[in-house]
Amino acid sequence: GNSVTQMEGPVTLSEEAFLTINCTYTATGYPSLFWYVQYPGEGLQLLLKATKADDKGSNKGFEATYRKETTSFHLEKGSVQVSDSAVYFCALSDTHKLSFGAGTTVTVRA
Amino acid sequence: NAGVTQTPKFRILKIGQSMTLQCTQDMNHNYMYWYRQDPGMGLKLIYYSVGAGITDKGEVPNGYNVSRSTTEDFPLRLELAAPSQTSVYFCASSSRGEGDTEAFFGQGTRLTVV
Repeated sequence: GNSVTQMEGPVTLSEEAFLTINCTYTATGYPSLFWYVQYPGEGLQLLLKATKADDKGSNKGFEATYRKETTSFHLEKGSVQVSDSAVYFCALSDTHKLSFGAGTTVTVRA
Repeated sequence: NAGVTQTPKFRILKIGQSMTLQCTQDMNHNYMYWYRQDPGMGLKLIYYSVGAGITDKGEVPNGYNVSRSTTEDFPLRLELAAPSQTSVYFCASSSRGEGDTEAFFGQGTRLTVV
């Protein structure tokens, strides 16, 4: 079946540091890939997405590229802010169901 | 737009009690989902529905029931609450456009069973 594996957290960074969160997936077919973000006390919201190989999703300074050859969708941001502190989930969509990774907690310190 | 609305936001149940978590969406989405999120864990799919009248089990369906009589509503029923069901529950909905399936989430229901 489909599955998503994310790097374990928590991750603690200083402001303006570079952030990478690794995500790899296992799927049949050609899934769409997503990064969702959950700010404290809130539900999940879509951060970015990519629907086919080599697509790059981007939003709010975050980027991720759909790499079919390595089955990966790593999230990156060049310079994080305190407001980026949240839990980040990698996810894939194939047929009827969404499959989420375990989530990575990111804390950015001023 | 209201999006996905869940009620209640918080609830404390005693062991053995029952309750229904309500979920409504106003985006005319066919697909709806119920997840639970335990501390430090990811989201686990409880049940999902691909349209009115159709439901199916996810990863962790035991102890729960759902129904989908309308496109808008997807309530989750706990019949005999157990401490293991203490969790945060999220409802989500999505449309199925060409595999580009963004899910929209409600704010969550924090349930404690004591």
